[in-house]
Amino acid sequence: NADVMQNPRHLVRRRGQEARLRCSPMKGHSHVYWYRQLPEEGLKFMVYLQKENIIDESGMPKERFSAEFPKEGPSILRIQQVVRGDSAAYFCASSPLAGSPYEQYFGPGTRLTVT
Amino acid sequence: GQQVMQIPQYQHVQEGEDFTTYCNSSTTLSNIQWYKQRPGGHPVFLIQLVKSGEVKKQKRLTFQFGEAKKNSSLHITATQTTDVGTYFCAGPFSEYGNKLVFGAGTILRVKS
Repeated sequence: NADVMQNPRHLVRRRGQEARLRCSPMKGHSHVYWYRQLPEEGLKFMVYLQKENIIDESGMPKERFSAEFPKEGPSILRIQQVVRGDSAAYFCASSPLAGSPYEQYFGPGTRLTVT
Repeated sequence: GQQVMQIPQYQHVQEGEDFTTYCNSSTTLSNIQWYKQRPGGHPVFLIQLVKSGEVKKQKRLTFQFGEAKKNSSLHITATQTTDVGTYFCAGPFSEYGNKLVFGAGTILRVKS
C-alpha cells in the first residue's frame, strides 16, 4: 500500500492506561511527523523523526509522551498514563526528503478517546 | 511565538456562491501550503506556494501568496457541495522547514 498507514483507527483507553499509536510512512519516505488535533481545531506539531533519530520534538509534552521510529517497523507514538485531555485525533505524516518545499502526506489518523 | 492566523473560522455559503479564506503569518515564510480536511477525514495536500506574489489555480480554486510572503488566500469560485470541509494553511517554522505550523482552519459549509 502506497499510502501512509496508521493503526488503530480508533482507540479507547481508561485514565491511567497506556496508548500506543502506530504509523507506517509512505513507501520511500524516511521522514515522519506526528500532529495532534483537538475537535474543531487545527493540527499541532508534536515531533519529527527520521529512522532511529528524533529531529525535532519541540511540540511534545515533556511528560508521558514519547516517540520513536526504529530502523525496522513503524513509528510509534506512546502516551503513558493517559488523561481525559489526551483525547484527540493523532495524525502522522511522511515526506520523502527534509526541508522545504516538500509537502507532507497524512495518514487517516488515530482517534483516541480516554474514558 | 510562531503563529499562523486564519480567518474566518466558519463560512456558510449557498451553492454557487464564492468563498475566500485568508491566512496570515507572524513571520516571513519560505513557502505556504494549503490542505483540505473533509469531515471525519485527514488533511490532504492541495498546493504549495513558494514565490512572492505567486498565484496558482486548480480548476475553481485560486491560491495567492502575498508579496511580503507573510499572507496567503484561497478563493473558491462557484462553490459546490463537494467543497465542504476545513481548509488549513500551514507554514514551515524550523531550520529544515519540517515543522509545519497550521492555522486553525476555515470550516466551509455549502447549502444546496
